[in-house]
Amino acid sequence: AQSVTQLDSHVSVSEGTPVLLRCNYSSSYSPSLFWYVQHPNKGLQLLLKYTSAATLVKGINGFEAEFKKSETSFHLTKPSAHMSDAAEYFCVVWNTGFQKLVFGTGTRLLVSP
Amino acid sequence: DAGITQSPRHKVTETGTPVTLRCHQTENHRYMYWYRQDPGHGLRLIHYSYGVKDTDKGEVSDGYSVSRSKTEDFLLTLESATSSQTSVYFCAISESGANSGNTIYFGEGSWLTVV
Repeated sequence: AQSVTQLDSHVSVSEGTPVLLRCNYSSSYSPSLFWYVQHPNKGLQLLLKYTSAATLVKGINGFEAEFKKSETSFHLTKPSAHMSDAAEYFCVVWNTGFQKLVFGTGTRLLVSP
Repeated sequence: DAGITQSPRHKVTETGTPVTLRCHQTENHRYMYWYRQDPGHGLRLIHYSYGVKDTDKGEVSDGYSVSRSKTEDFLLTLESATSSQTSVYFCAISESGANSGNTIYFGEGSWLTVV
């Protein structure tokens, strides 16, 4: 069964510094992977998705993620953090057996001035 | 943004009472989902629907039922609310299954407190 593990529950960065949010996946098949962002008291917004096309996926707001099969990773990065990036980020895999999204437990990104 | 409306957005109810949450979409998408979000668990699937009157259970379906009599509406019912069902509930929609590359869009959430 497909699953994802987010390696950090909290990540703190300073404004203007790079962001790295780590996600490892487990899947017997070529997975469909997603990153969603959730701002406080809001719904989830899709940042980007990987569906076996290019391994480097570009998303909204300057985020990108690289699919690395050899490392079973799908880490999210951004070159320069902005205060508005402070939110919770979820790495998600599509479970083909049960036709559902499987969520990681989330990483809270804190951005300080 | 996808046209998804959840109602009510906030509700406090007493243990043992029935509660119905409504999800309404204007996108004419085939798939609709109900998730609950709890600290330390991410989002977990309660039920989903792949068409009118076609529904199936997710991983945390005990204590919940759903109905879909029209494409645009997906109702989640707690027959007899318990404190363990205090959570944030998210509706989501997709044109088809996400394994085909389609995106799943989420509503703004419904905060339910059972006292």
